[in-house]
Amino acid sequence: QVQLVQSGSDLKKPGASVKVSCKASGYTFTNYAMHWVRQAPGQGLEWMGWINTNTGNPTYAQGFTGRFVFSLDTSVSTAYLQISSLKAEDTAVYYCARESVWYFDFWGRGTLVTVSS
Amino acid sequence: QTVVTQEPSFSVSPGGTVTLTCGLTSGSVSASYYPSWYQQTPGQAPRTLIYSTNTRSSGVPDRFSGSILGNKAALTITGAQADDESDYYCVLYMGSGMVFGGGTKLTVL
Repeated sequence: QVQLVQSGSDLKKPGASVKVSCKASGYTFTNYAMHWVRQAPGQGLEWMGWINTNTGNPTYAQGFTGRFVFSLDTSVSTAYLQISSLKAEDTAVYYCARESVWYFDFWGRGTLVTVSS
Repeated sequence: QTVVTQEPSFSVSPGGTVTLTCGLTSGSVSASYYPSWYQQTPGQAPRTLIYSTNTRSSGVPDRFSGSILGNKAALTITGAQADDESDYYCVLYMGSGMVFGGGTKLTVL
């Protein structure tokens, strides 16, 4: 069965970096795009962008350029989200979600990133 | 910039029917936006309900249905149950990417 297993919660200081992982299993990793979605505390879901798991080409939504980087390690079927120069407003749950033709069919459980001094 | 709109909140009585909508600040939603719907309860990951306007995801009960109503996408829950009390999000494919609506908090009481 399809599973997306995300890394555990992380607490970081402002200015630090964090790397969230999303390990896929139960399907051919390179056959489906992977998206990232942010949910700040008490807020709605926000699309961050996606990565083509065949080519590794990332696409970032408005507001997620510069400090946000999507990457892959196809040898271990894992997608990564790296955020640098962390700010308090980056505190959120970050989800990976597999795309199946313009919708998200499977979701990771989410990774809480807390940015606090 | 076009924004995807949803009712912030809605309430329904147990056993009742409710229709949540998903619109655009500019223009009409059509099937070419591939509207999809997701249910989220507090502390949980979203659950996929409907995709491509009206196709139910695997395991989703048939009391959830999707459609286009007028110029909006719609999610109808028929025979609402207590555990339908959740946040509901629509997503539209906008060509340049996916856009979430702001979500609707559904109360069943």
